[in-house]
Amino acid sequence: EVQLVQSGGVVVQPGGSLRLSCAASGFTFDDYTMHWVRQAPGMGLEWVSLITWNSGTTYYADSVKGRFTISRDNSRNSLYLEMNSLRTEDTALYYCAKEESGNLRPFDHWGQGTLVTVSS
Amino acid sequence: DIVMTQSPDSLAVSLGERATINCKSSQSVLYDSINKNYLAWYQQKPGQPPKLLIYWASTRESGVPDRFSGSGSGTDFTLTISSLQSEDVAVYYCQQYFDNPRTFGQGTKLEIK
Repeated sequence: EVQLVQSGGVVVQPGGSLRLSCAASGFTFDDYTMHWVRQAPGMGLEWVSLITWNSGTTYYADSVKGRFTISRDNSRNSLYLEMNSLRTEDTALYYCAKEESGNLRPFDHWGQGTLVTVSS
Repeated sequence: DIVMTQSPDSLAVSLGERATINCKSSQSVLYDSINKNYLAWYQQKPGQPPKLLIYWASTRESGVPDRFSGSGSGTDFTLTISSLQSEDVAVYYCQQYFDNPRTFGQGTKLEIK
């Protein structure tokens, strides 16, 4: 069974930093592109970032470019999102998601989400 | 970036009736050489992560009831629930995976009338 288990929620001050993690199991992690998607309270889904199987390609939404860094450790079956210079508008539930096999595919499994609250 | 626009923003349908949600992309998501539309639909119930319902615009994910169907091509797509059940109350999102950044529609909230 595919599982994506995310770290617990946190509160951080504006300007602060945070690293989210997503532990994968039930599939061959290093075969798949992985993503981060966020959802502000009461709002829709916003795609954040992707990383290919070998970390060869990363991509970011304009809203986080230069502040967030996606990474993965295939030996630990883990995905990460390093978040710096956090703003109040980064407050959201952050999901990790697994892309289906192949190039440019939908997201077939999602984590349960990590709530990030940026507040003073 | 490809902008995805859904309509309506919310919808109330009686149990057993048909529900139709539309999604329009700002540019075609049809890959001509393989005749596939890079368009997916997701269902999100309260307190849960999204769940993949349909991909390639019209292919149901394994385990998804056949009352859910997708149609359309190019820039205009539709998700249809043929006979609404109480468990279908959710927010539905379309997403293009034709290009990066992957973009979602704003969501359509489906309720029981």
